[in-house]
Amino acid sequence: EVPLLESGGDLVQPGGSLRLSCEASGFAFDDYTMAWVRQAPGRGLEWISAVYSGSVSPYYADSVKGRFIISRDDSKNLLHLQMNNVRAEDTAVYYCAKGAAATTSWYFDVWGRGTLVTVSP
Amino acid sequence: DIQMTQSPSALSASVGDTVTITCRASQRISQWLAWYQQKPGKAPKLLIYKASTLEIGVPSRFSGSGSGTEFTLTIDTLQPDDFATYYCQQYNTLYTFGQGTKLEIK
Repeated sequence: EVPLLESGGDLVQPGGSLRLSCEASGFAFDDYTMAWVRQAPGRGLEWISAVYSGSVSPYYADSVKGRFIISRDDSKNLLHLQMNNVRAEDTAVYYCAKGAAATTSWYFDVWGRGTLVTVSP
Repeated sequence: DIQMTQSPSALSASVGDTVTITCRASQRISQWLAWYQQKPGKAPKLLIYKASTLEIGVPSRFSGSGSGTEFTLTIDTLQPDDFATYYCQQYNTLYTFGQGTKLEIK
């Protein structure tokens, strides 16, 4: 059983939209912070968004603020990332990650395998 | 925003060596620091949290230390499986990763 499984990665044109999903299993999804972390080709890890248990106050990195929206459906154990007005620099593998606590920033103890988003004309 | 700076960016070592990677925070983060290992094409794997607490299942040759703004990851007696890229991450205020340290076989 894979605890976190991302989907939705695709080739998208600049200015377009894409919705990523992460299906969680094997743990009490609604009890934990969930996040998205991305990695551009050949580059390091970049945290981009997190949502605490209870969907209170989602957080975003400046690089995606105003363009991306994180949401969670606790009834379906799903985490989403709505990506709008995408840019070439959004090209990356997007990882879903589980925080080790319900609220406040905490380290990520479980990671998905990632889904590739390519932004190109 | 808190910036994290790792050094060195790359490191060459041999099996059996002991290596140390340093991570510096731009402001004090107490002990709210984690270390991850990532191999090519794979997701990161948590090694250490709260600066020095080893994640369950991680070999004891990995150790972490530090608090405030300066932290280290030490790998004793390098094994072939340890050659990978290592990242530090602060979680004192949201999240920031260091730029990574690529550990290569000499």
